[in-house]
Amino acid sequence: EPEVTQTPSHQVTQMGQEVILRCVPISNHLYFYWYRQILGQKVEFLVSFYNNEISEKSEIFDDQFSVERPDGSNFTLKIRSTKLEDSAMYFCASGPRGTNEKLFFGSGTQLSVL
Amino acid sequence: QKEVEQNSGPLSVPEGAIASLNCTYSDRGSQSFFWYRQYSGKSPELIMFIYSNGDKEDGRFTAQLNKASQYVSLLIRDSQPSDSATYLCAVNPNQAGTALIFGKGTTLSVSS
Repeated sequence: EPEVTQTPSHQVTQMGQEVILRCVPISNHLYFYWYRQILGQKVEFLVSFYNNEISEKSEIFDDQFSVERPDGSNFTLKIRSTKLEDSAMYFCASGPRGTNEKLFFGSGTQLSVL
Repeated sequence: QKEVEQNSGPLSVPEGAIASLNCTYSDRGSQSFFWYRQYSGKSPELIMFIYSNGDKEDGRFTAQLNKASQYVSLLIRDSQPSDSATYLCAVNPNQAGTALIFGKGTTLSVSS
């Protein structure tokens, strides 16, 4: 079965550093998402991406965050200057037709900001 | 503020029993509703989705939706220890929106 692939599985960084989290969505999907989950808390929406542009973003997704689909297969989340509170599990998800139907989640990147 | 509420649990049931998980949502215009299962340290995995009022069955799982009461539930029949996980209710607030709103999840523990 096709799956969403995320790399790295773990990322440790120093506060203020830039990180890039990478995702390869399922190839025929059209909608892409980033979610995050702080330990013990709910899964929170960050941003959705469709037709090569952001379609929706949450209040969490401020100017420190950006997304890119640089080559038609990869989907990246960049955090420009990490803060301690950015420590979380970051999930990439993709779907063929948006959130009215099934979303496939990647296995996540655990980001630790020291 | 659009909210999805779940009891955090833990909900403990013996093996073979029925587990009943509940969820309420605040946006009356919500269109589609999802139940995800999440094992500790893993990503959410879709179990069921439901769009219309009533029941939807898939194997041991039944999702129930009551839009008038803004209430979604998940029943797990013949619960197994492998069903022990956190169950996340997620709601698509409206057709134009693309962001799923997740509840905090209910932790289910099935004892053998």
